[in-house]
Amino acid sequence: DVKVTQSSRYLVKRTGEKVFLECVQDMDHENMFWYRQDPGLGLRLIYFSYDVKMKEKGDIPEGYSVSREKKERFSLILESASTNQTSMYLCASSPAQGGNQPQHFGDGTRLSIL
Amino acid sequence: AQSVTQLGSHVSVSEGALVLLRCNYSSSVPPYLFWYVQYPNQGLQLLLKYTTGATLVKGINGFEAEFKKSETSFHLTKPSAHMSDAAEYFCAVSEGGGATNKLIFGTGTLLAVQP
Repeated sequence: DVKVTQSSRYLVKRTGEKVFLECVQDMDHENMFWYRQDPGLGLRLIYFSYDVKMKEKGDIPEGYSVSREKKERFSLILESASTNQTSMYLCASSPAQGGNQPQHFGDGTRLSIL
Repeated sequence: AQSVTQLGSHVSVSEGALVLLRCNYSSSVPPYLFWYVQYPNQGLQLLLKYTTGATLVKGINGFEAEFKKSETSFHLTKPSAHMSDAAEYFCAVSEGGGATNKLIFGTGTLLAVQP
């Protein structure tokens, strides 16, 4: 089974801090994704990566950056955390074999910015 | 651009009753369609997917969905609801071919099961 592991289930940070959310997958997947999930809005794509050191903006990249130095690890960075970034963050991965492959999700990180 | 609409943000059924969760999609190319389930404080788990072939797709936990191209729908059903089915359900469409497998998600339907 594919395992996607997010480093923290719950995280509390302060406004202005730089925040790192880490995600590791164990299935050698090429694609990795970061979403945020808010009530009534579903999942919104922040960034995705289709290869090491490659990244593309999703629908809501403002205030975020990402890093993918190794194939198995994809990090989401909040450069200067703000209260409107309080949310559930979900990481996912998938193989590169076309759009018929499902994404596999981690358990999420519930981030609170005070 | 592709999109997904889930009708009904909250659905409540009695235990043993039919579950019907609605999903309509918009796509200019033959779509790949997915249903995911999210239990409280967990990530999303794949229930089933439609890619090609048989339009009635069976998934885990007794769920199934039927792809109807003429209606641009992919509704999720289960004949008899169980208390353990209480969760949030998301429909998603794949954003066309290529290698990036980007998914477009609906806003979700929260299913409550009453005893």
